[in-house]
Amino acid sequence: EAQVTQNPRYLITVTGKKLTVTCSQNMNHEYMSWYRQDPGLGLRQIYYSMNVEVTDKGDVPEGYKVSRKEKRNFPLILESPSPNQTSLYFCAIQDRALSTDTQYFGPGTRLTVL
Amino acid sequence: AQSVTQLDSHVSVSEGTPVLLRCNYSSSYSPSLFWYVQHPNKGLQLLLKYTSAATLVKGINGFEAEFKKSETSFHLTKPSAHMSDAAEYFCVVTLNYGGSQGNLIFGKGTKLSVKP
Repeated sequence: EAQVTQNPRYLITVTGKKLTVTCSQNMNHEYMSWYRQDPGLGLRQIYYSMNVEVTDKGDVPEGYKVSRKEKRNFPLILESPSPNQTSLYFCAIQDRALSTDTQYFGPGTRLTVL
Repeated sequence: AQSVTQLDSHVSVSEGTPVLLRCNYSSSYSPSLFWYVQHPNKGLQLLLKYTSAATLVKGINGFEAEFKKSETSFHLTKPSAHMSDAAEYFCVVTLNYGGSQGNLIFGKGTKLSVKP
């Protein structure tokens, strides 16, 4: 069964203090993605990665960075967090080899930036 | 360009009555369509998906959805609501062609309340 792990699950931080949210998968899937969820806006894609060393911007990439140095990990980096990045973040993976278009989501990370 | 519109931000039903959550989509290509459910303080769970096979799709927990191309709709239904169905539901669209990147476009969500 596909498993997506995110850490931390909850984080309260202050403006400007760099942070990283990790995402790890146990399925060797090529495609990984980050979303943020805000009330009344649904989920919006931040960044995605088609494979190792291949990343691209989603709909709301400003203020975020990602890296994909190995297949299983896709960390989300906030170099200088701001209060408008307070949100619920989800990592997702997809088995593109089967072209199922189904994504599996991690449990979420609730971030508060003061 | 793709987009998805969930027509109701909040739906309230009584336990045992039918559920209808409405979703309209816009897509230049043949779409894949999904419904996800999110229970309070939980992650996202796939309810069902349409990927150009049968237009009536059955999902988990008694939910089903019908793809209607002429109406560009993918409404979610359940004959009889249960208290445990109270959650937020998201309609999602993505492109369905050979080079699909798998980028999902989410609707803004519909909160379903179930009254005893």
